Amino acid sequence: DTAVSQTPKYLVTQMGNDKSIKCEQNLGHDTMYWYKQDSKKFLKIMFSYNNKELIINETVPNRFSPKSPDKAHLNLHINSLELGDSAVYFCASSPGPIGSYGYTFGSGTRLTVV
Amino acid sequence: DQQVKQNSPSLSVQEGRISILNCDYTNSMFDYFLWYKKYPAEGPTFLISISSIKDKNEDGRFTVFLNKSAKHLSLHIVPSQPGDSAVYFCAASALKDDYKLSFGAGTTVTVRA
Repeated sequence: DTAVSQTPKYLVTQMGNDKSIKCEQNLGHDTMYWYKQDSKKFLKIMFSYNNKELIINETVPNRFSPKSPDKAHLNLHINSLELGDSAVYFCASSPGPIGSYGYTFGSGTRLTVV
Repeated sequence: DQQVKQNSPSLSVQEGRISILNCDYTNSMFDYFLWYKKYPAEGPTFLISISSIKDKNEDGRFTVFLNKSAKHLSLHIVPSQPGDSAVYFCAASALKDDYKLSFGAGTTVTVRA
């Protein structure tokens, strides 16, 4: 029973398209995140929601829009995809914005823009 | 601006020996430091954390040491096992940033039989 599940696992799409990645957690956590792992393997935070409220919004192009319909779901919608958006996107959750508690990550969505 | 740095991209160690992974940071406001382990095609898995007010935390085979004056932490794995072969990420967070995690670039550990 997967704790944090992301769909799809792989996504290949053409430049200019709009796509969404879905994330769901069944841990009862209040806080969810989107991280991007780029070609240099750095994991960088994009967004964080706590109980459906946006609390972290890093410097991300506004083509990226997160949506949290409830605290168990955090979806990521990307408009007008560009080649540079190719990366692995990880969803994660935690009980709250708590420093000592590690996040639980999903297995990632590998996005390839061609 | 990388606030968390792992300067060794890879480490090879014999099974049964100690693995020592190093991490340096620049932000003195970090309150917590964490280590994650990642297998290919999987998400990172939380291993162990340490508060900035402590200098050591131990959990089974894993021990994290923190040297605040040097802004340095290390993860010791004793004894190393083949299943420990993975990428290890160092991460840090601060209350003032809502505990968002800043990650290092990772160190690939290979445990040789």
